[in-house]
Amino acid sequence: GENVEQHPSTLSVQEGDSAVIKCTYSDSASNYFPWYKQELGKRPQLIIDIRSNVGEKKDQRIAVTLNKTAKHFSLHITETQPEDSAVYFCAARDDKIIFGKGTRLHILP
Amino acid sequence: SQTIHQWPATLVQPVGSPLSLECTVEGTSNPNLYWYRQAAGRGLQLLFYSVGIGQISSEVPQNLSASRPQDRQFILSSKKLLLSDSGFYLCAWSASGAYSNQPQHFGDGTRLSIL
Repeated sequence: GENVEQHPSTLSVQEGDSAVIKCTYSDSASNYFPWYKQELGKRPQLIIDIRSNVGEKKDQRIAVTLNKTAKHFSLHITETQPEDSAVYFCAARDDKIIFGKGTRLHILP
Repeated sequence: SQTIHQWPATLVQPVGSPLSLECTVEGTSNPNLYWYRQAAGRGLQLLFYSVGIGQISSEVPQNLSASRPQDRQFILSSKKLLLSDSGFYLCAWSASGAYSNQPQHFGDGTRLSIL
C-alpha cells in the first residue's frame, strides 16, 4: 500500500520568509495530492491540491510542486505571516488518502 | 453546499464504558465516509472507511467498530473503551468513486478522554 513520508516534522521560519515542506510517496499509481492545514484543536482544512497531470499549482502565497518521476511533492509558502502557524499534512491518494505525519510550522515574529 | 456534522464535540468516558460517535453528511449522495483518530500532537490514523451502506473497511485491528446504517450516516462504536482510545476523532467525507481524485472534508472532531 501507499506510504507517505513528510519532512521536516517541525519548522521555524522568520515572519516574511518562505517555508518549504516536502513529502515523498511510494505508490506510483497515486494520482492526487492534497495539502491540509490544521490549527490547534480544529479540523484539518484543505488549502491546496494537485493532480498527477500537473507539475505545479499556485494560489496566492501558497504553491505546490509535483515530481512524479521522483515521487515527491512539496508545499511552498511565501511571505509567511503569523496566521500561517499550524500543522500541515500532505497526502497521496490512489484508492484512499494516506496522510503524512505532519509538519508543525512556527512563524517567528 | 455539502456539510458534515459530527457530535459530540467533547466526551469524557470511564474505562470499560461503551462509545457511540455519530457523523452525518448533507448535500451529497453516496459519499465515501471515513473515521480517523489523531493522538495529541500526532498524525491522522485511518480507522475505517465506507464506500456505501453496510460496506465498512477496517484499517487497523482494535476494539472499535463502525457502521453505516444510512447513506449519509457513519457511526463509530466501542463496547468497552480502553485508556488508549483517548484522542481526537475525525469524521470525513469525499465524493464517491473508489478512485475519485477528490479531497476529503473533515468534521469538527470529537475530543475523547478516557479516565
